[in-house]
Amino acid sequence: AQTVTQSQPEMSVQEAETVTLSCTYDTSESDYYLFWYKQPPSRQMILVIRQEAYKQQNATENRFSVNFQKAAKSFSLKISDSQLGDAAMYFCASNAGGTSYGKLTFGQGTILTVHP
Amino acid sequence: SQTIHQWPATLVQPVGSPLSLECTVEGTSNPNLYWYRQAAGRGLQLLFYSVGIGQISSEVPQNLSASRPQDRQFILSSKKLLLSDSGFYLCAWGDWNTGELFFGEGSRLTVL
Repeated sequence: AQTVTQSQPEMSVQEAETVTLSCTYDTSESDYYLFWYKQPPSRQMILVIRQEAYKQQNATENRFSVNFQKAAKSFSLKISDSQLGDAAMYFCASNAGGTSYGKLTFGQGTILTVHP
Repeated sequence: SQTIHQWPATLVQPVGSPLSLECTVEGTSNPNLYWYRQAAGRGLQLLFYSVGIGQISSEVPQNLSASRPQDRQFILSSKKLLLSDSGFYLCAWGDWNTGELFFGEGSRLTVL
């Protein structure tokens, strides 16, 4: 079984500043993926970034990057140059590879507020 | 490109009434489909998934059921709703190549 823990229920950041959201996970799988999803007030879940566990290089998508520490089972999300549109709830999630690829385990979420 | 739609977007139902939420996917064939539920202020929990027509797997025991009558249609149902069924329901399809889930707009269910 997999577990995902987000220890920060809420975070805030000033516009144009950088913020890091924390996530730890536990899994017995050797092949798995990690994700950060964003859920804005419209409620539709949108993928922010994904990381394959076998890749040592941290994933980056424009202003979003991760710090993947496989031994520590840590997967934090860094948002650089924060924008008002980044305000949302962010979910960390993991899945097992193979035929279980769509069965995601989600953390409880972190509400991010961006101040102008 | 692939799109996924859910309806209704909002539903208010009395306890004991039936439920039917629908989800359809366009632009892909034989997708793996998923129903997740998000309780207020909490993360998502996988309820059901389907790898093909008529094939349903349940992840948690509950008052709900799912069906897949067509390749790109996934339905969530209940014969008698409970208060605890209230929540935000999300349908998703999975991309085998990337492991990513693509979510619909969601359906908010309030049981009174």
